Amino acid sequence: EPEVTQTPSHQVTQMGQEVILRCVPISNHLYFYWYRQILGQKVEFLVSFYNNEISEKSEIFDDQFSVERPDGSNFTLKIRSTKLEDSAMYFCASSVAGGPADTQYFGPGTRLTVL
Amino acid sequence: KNEVEQSPQNLTAQEGEFITINCSYSVGISALHWLQQHPGGGIVSLFMLSSGKKKHGRLIATINIQEKHSSLHITASHPRDSAVYICAVGVGSYNTDKLIFGTGTRLQVFP
Repeated sequence: EPEVTQTPSHQVTQMGQEVILRCVPISNHLYFYWYRQILGQKVEFLVSFYNNEISEKSEIFDDQFSVERPDGSNFTLKIRSTKLEDSAMYFCASSVAGGPADTQYFGPGTRLTVL
Repeated sequence: KNEVEQSPQNLTAQEGEFITINCSYSVGISALHWLQQHPGGGIVSLFMLSSGKKKHGRLIATINIQEKHSSLHITASHPRDSAVYICAVGVGSYNTDKLIFGTGTRLQVFP
């Protein structure tokens, strides 16, 4: 069964460093999402992406964050200068269609630890 | 005020018990999702519904759009059902359907 994959599973970085989290969505999916979950808290929406552009972003998704679909398979989240409060589990999700009738499929997550 | 409220936050049950988890929301939605999060962190979609009721195995999800309320039921619970169950609502348009998540219900089923 097709699945969303994410790499790395765990990333440790120093404050101020840039990190890139990678996702490979399911191949025929067109809509892509990043969510994050700080330890012990609920999952929060970061950004959605369709047709090679951001379709919606949250207040969390400030200028330090960017997303890209550099080729036909990868979807990346870049944090330019990490802060301690960026430590969280980051989930990528994808769906075939972006509208109300579609299930989002989640990757296993990347745990980001900022020291 | 949270846009998605779940209750209870924690739930323990004996194997075989019937379990109900409730979800209320305060925003207009495209659909309501029930998801399961395993101890390792992975998230799996269980149901997506915009009206009525859906059933999959021992899991049943219902939604009342007028009351902005949904329930997830587990019949004949089993220790392998132990996980965090999350209610999320889809709020979107033609090119996005971001999910707003509840805080989750941690379920432990004991043999």
